[in-house]
Amino acid sequence: EAQVTQNPRYLITVTGKKLTVTCSQNMNHEYMSWYRQDPGLGLRQIYYSMNVEVTDKGDVPEGYKVSRKEKRNFPLILESPSPNQTSLYFCASRGGSGAGEQFFGPGTRLTVL
Amino acid sequence: QQQVKQSPQSLIVQKGGIPIINCAYENTAFDYFPWYQQFPGKGPALLIAIRPDVSEKKEGRFTISFNKSAKQFSLHIMDSQPGDSATYFCAASLPSGGSNYKLTFGKGTLLTVNP
Repeated sequence: EAQVTQNPRYLITVTGKKLTVTCSQNMNHEYMSWYRQDPGLGLRQIYYSMNVEVTDKGDVPEGYKVSRKEKRNFPLILESPSPNQTSLYFCASRGGSGAGEQFFGPGTRLTVL
Repeated sequence: QQQVKQSPQSLIVQKGGIPIINCAYENTAFDYFPWYQQFPGKGPALLIAIRPDVSEKKEGRFTISFNKSAKQFSLHIMDSQPGDSATYFCAASLPSGGSNYKLTFGKGTLLTVNP
């Protein structure tokens, strides 16, 4: 089954404790992206990757890092989480050229105390 | 600067009604306009999408109407069902050409369809 998976689905942590949210897709997509969803704000892009070793900032990259060492994986790293990073995070991927469907993962709900 | 404005924030209709969700965009360079449906605990899933060279697209009970001159597009759900209760997001993206395929989302509409 074609899908985007994320782990963990739920995470409660404390300020300053480094964490990684993993994202993996099995569709051989070149493009992957991270969004955060906050009430009343919709979804906003954090980082994206056009291909292996090619990443760039989205609209709200502060406090986040990413890496793309393999085509299928695109982890989101919070080196020193803060309470304002409490949010619902989605990973997405798409393939092909031109505008087309982006497939979203099931989400990771992060709470930073 | 909010580039895609969505209204209403929430909408309640009776089964069989025709909810309409509206979006307006500012950037005339946008060339792809999808609607995503999100159920609680799930990620957004593509529902239907349109490009600005057509004024309407229909897929099953879902129709997008597009008004390029007004920079507006809307989602209509015919014969709505309780199972359609979800949050709906409109979005827009710029032409690809090797750049970011970022989706610029509206803030979402929570639709409730009562039995």
